[in-house]
Amino acid sequence: QEQLVQSGAEVKKPGASVTVSCKASGYSLSDYYIHWVRQAPGQGLEWMGRMNPDTGVTNYARKFRGRVTMTRDTSINTAYIDLSSLRSDDTATYYCARGGSTGWRFDFWGQGTLVTVSS
Amino acid sequence: QSALTQPPSASGSPGQSVTISCTGTSSDVGRYNYVSWYQQHPGKAPKLLIYEVIKRPSGVPDRFSGSKSGNTASLTVSGLQAEDEANYYCTSFAGNDNYVLFGGGTKVTVL
Repeated sequence: QEQLVQSGAEVKKPGASVTVSCKASGYSLSDYYIHWVRQAPGQGLEWMGRMNPDTGVTNYARKFRGRVTMTRDTSINTAYIDLSSLRSDDTATYYCARGGSTGWRFDFWGQGTLVTVSS
Repeated sequence: QSALTQPPSASGSPGQSVTISCTGTSSDVGRYNYVSWYQQHPGKAPKLLIYEVIKRPSGVPDRFSGSKSGNTASLTVSGLQAEDEANYYCTSFAGNDNYVLFGGGTKVTVL
C-alpha cells in the first residue's frame, strides 16, 4: 500500500527552525515529486513548494523563498522540509503530498504534522 | 485573501446536486488545464477528487465531476450523500513563478 508517513508534532519558539520528515512506503520516493502544503488552524490550504526526489531540484512558492528548504534521503525513502525564522503565523499543520505522474496534482497525502510556534 | 475565489459555503439535501465554483484569472485557471479538486473532512488530510479539470482518479465515485469555462472551474457533486459533507478546495497551476494556487475552500453541508 502506497503511503506517506510524517513525523510527529513539534513546538518551537519564534526565530527557531523546524524540520518535518515524510517517509514514503509502497513505492520509490524517487519516482514522483513531493509537494508540501500547510494549513493554519481553521484556515485553508497553502502550497509551499515541491521537490523532484530523483534530482533534488526544488521549486518554492514565492512567499517562502529564502526561508524554506526541501531535501531528501533516497536511501531511506524520506523527504524533508525545513522552515527557518519561525513566526507565530507559521503555526499550522504541514502536509507532504505525492505529485501525480503528470501535471500538477497531489495524488495522496501524509497524515499531517502540527507545528506550533509559541514563546 | 486566497488566490482563487470559492464561495465559502454551499448546501443541498440528500440526492440533490451542488456545484462549487472556483474563479481565477487568465494567468491560471483560464490558461492551464491543471485544475484539481480536493475533499477534506475535519481533522483529516485532503483527498484528490478531480484533476486536469475533468479527470477522476480510480476509486472516486462518478457523482463527482469537474468542468471549466473561461477563468472559472466548477465541481459538481450529484446525488448528495451524508458523507459528502466536507470542505472542498480547488487548485490551479499558475505558471513557473506562482506555481500552485489554492482556493479558499467551500464548506458543503448536507441538509
